[in-house]
Amino acid sequence: DGGITQSPKYLFRKEGQNVTLSCEQNLNHDAMYWYRQDPGQGLRLIYYSQIVNDFQKGDIAEGYSVSREKKESFPLTVTSAQKNPTAFYLCASSIVPGNGRELFFGEGSRLTVL
Amino acid sequence: QQQVKQSPQSLIVQKGGIPIINCAYENTAFDYFPWYQQFPGKGPALLIAIRPDVSEKKEGRFTISFNKSAKQFSLHIMDSQPGDSATYFCAASGRGFGNEKLTFGTGTRLTIIP
Repeated sequence: DGGITQSPKYLFRKEGQNVTLSCEQNLNHDAMYWYRQDPGQGLRLIYYSQIVNDFQKGDIAEGYSVSREKKESFPLTVTSAQKNPTAFYLCASSIVPGNGRELFFGEGSRLTVL
Repeated sequence: QQQVKQSPQSLIVQKGGIPIINCAYENTAFDYFPWYQQFPGKGPALLIAIRPDVSEKKEGRFTISFNKSAKQFSLHIMDSQPGDSATYFCAASGRGFGNEKLTFGTGTRLTIIP
């Protein structure tokens, strides 16, 4: 059964700690994305990667870092530099190239900073 | 700068009614306009999409109307059901470097009451 797996589903972090969210896909998609979802603000793009070992900043990359060492994996690290990290984080993937590509989303990871 | 404006923020409709969600965009390079549906605690999933060469697209009970000159598009749900209660996001993307990423609206929380 193909899809995107995000873990953990819920995560609590103390202020000043880094935390890494996992995203794995078995859809054989080249592109992967991280979005942040906050109430009333929709989905905002943090980082995206169109190919292994390459990634680009999205609209709100400050305080986040990513890596793309394998096609199927795109972990997101929320660093202590992120001022307001409490949010719902969504990973997605799509086939490239070209526009009009459908995004397939995981079920999300909810991060709460205590 | 918000490139896709979505309204209303929330909407309550009686079963059988026709909820309408509106979106407006600014970037004339956009040429792909999808709608995503998200249930609580889940990731969004593609519902229906349209390109600007047509003014309307129907898939089952869901219809997109597109007005290129006004730079607006809307989602209509015919014979709405309680199971349609979800958050709906419009989005847009274009072609070429920097335009191919999806830009999402802020979402509409739809509630269908029996």
